[in-house]
Order: sequence, then structure tokens, then C-alpha cells
Amino acid sequence: DGGITQSPKYLFRKEGQNVTLSCEQNLNHDAMYWYRQDPGQGLRLIYYSQIVNDFQKGDIAEGYSVSREKKESFPLTVTSAQKNPTAFYLCASSNPGGPTQETQYFGPGTRLLVL
Amino acid sequence: GQQLNQSPQSMFIQEGEDVSMNCTSSSIFNTWLWYKQDPGEGPVLLIALYKAGELTSNGRLTAQFGITRKDSFLNISASIPSDVGIYFCAGQIQGAQKLVFGQGTRLTINP
Repeated sequence: DGGITQSPKYLFRKEGQNVTLSCEQNLNHDAMYWYRQDPGQGLRLIYYSQIVNDFQKGDIAEGYSVSREKKESFPLTVTSAQKNPTAFYLCASSNPGGPTQETQYFGPGTRLLVL
Repeated sequence: GQQLNQSPQSMFIQEGEDVSMNCTSSSIFNTWLWYKQDPGEGPVLLIALYKAGELTSNGRLTAQFGITRKDSFLNISASIPSDVGIYFCAGQIQGAQKLVFGQGTRLTINP
């Protein structure tokens, strides 16, 4: 089945540690996105990538980094510079320019907790 | 800043009742999307709307793209327990690349 997978489901980070969240899609979508969701709030965009080897900062990029070496993969690293990393992280993908324009499909999410 | 106003923030209804929620903005939108999110899961796309005035159904769900292109509503008819969750609207503002999201409507159903 086509879809988006995120791993792990839960991730624990120690103080000062960098952690990487995985996102893979087999939908052949060009664009991929990372969002952060805090309790009772909407989604905030961290980074997005419209094409391989290119990505742009979203609204809350500080303390995060990404790479886009392959079309199907868009890993997110939460660095030690992110002082409040506890949140639910969602990856999404879309096929901009196609008939469905900016319709984004989401993965199941990764919950990051700080020890 | 806040670009989408989604209301109501929460709803408590009886099983079998109809539900209505909406999103409004001062901006003009090219696309409206409605998602449902269960606890601990990612949002699932329910309905996508691409033209002003478009009315689309998905089972008991119906959504419309407002004629002014500044709003959208989602209706759920004859609610059932599995409708419980958080419903988000999202849209692409004219001239912008990214989606903006509403704050969500939390639906609770009493059996």
C-alpha cells in the first residue's frame, strides 16, 4: 500500500542530545513537510522541501535541521538547540503542480519526550 | 499570526445528532481541506475542495468551499461514536505555497 511511514512512534531525548526522526513515503510525491503539534494547538510548519536536495525553513525552524537526499525520505533532526522539543511531530507529503495541488497526506506521527 | 478561525473549538453532542463546524478567514483561498485526527495518530484527509462553491460529500460528511473563497464548512450527519476526534480545516491562501491550519474542533459524542 502507498503511504507515509514515520519512525519511531515514541522517542526519548536526553538533555543536550540530537535525535533524528524518520519519514519515508512511497507516494512518489515531490514535496515533503515537517510539522510540530502541541496539545490543543494546530500544526506549525518546521521545514519543507519541494524537490530533492532543496528545502526551506518554515515558521519554527530554529533548533531543527533536515536533509532531502532522496525523493522518498525527509529526516528531521531535533538538535540540542531546541529548548522545548517535547511535542508530536508530523510528516506530510504532497504533489504540488498536479491536479490535487497542495493536498497534503500525513504520516502517523512521532511523539518526542525529553528525559 | 492567526490566519484561520475554526469554530467551535469543542462540541459535545448525542449520538445520532448532526454536526456543523466552519473555518473563516480574511484571506482568499485556492484550496480547502478537512482532516480528522484520532488521539496519538496523524490527521487523515476527509474531503478536499478546489473550487469556490464546490460541495463535496464523503459518506455522512459534506463540506463546501465558500463562494467568497474565504470560508468553508464541514457537516457530519447522524453522528456515531467513531466520529469522535479532532477535526482540522486547512487551506492554501491565494499566492502562497504553504497550507495554514485551523486550531481544530474537538468532537465528543455521548452514547
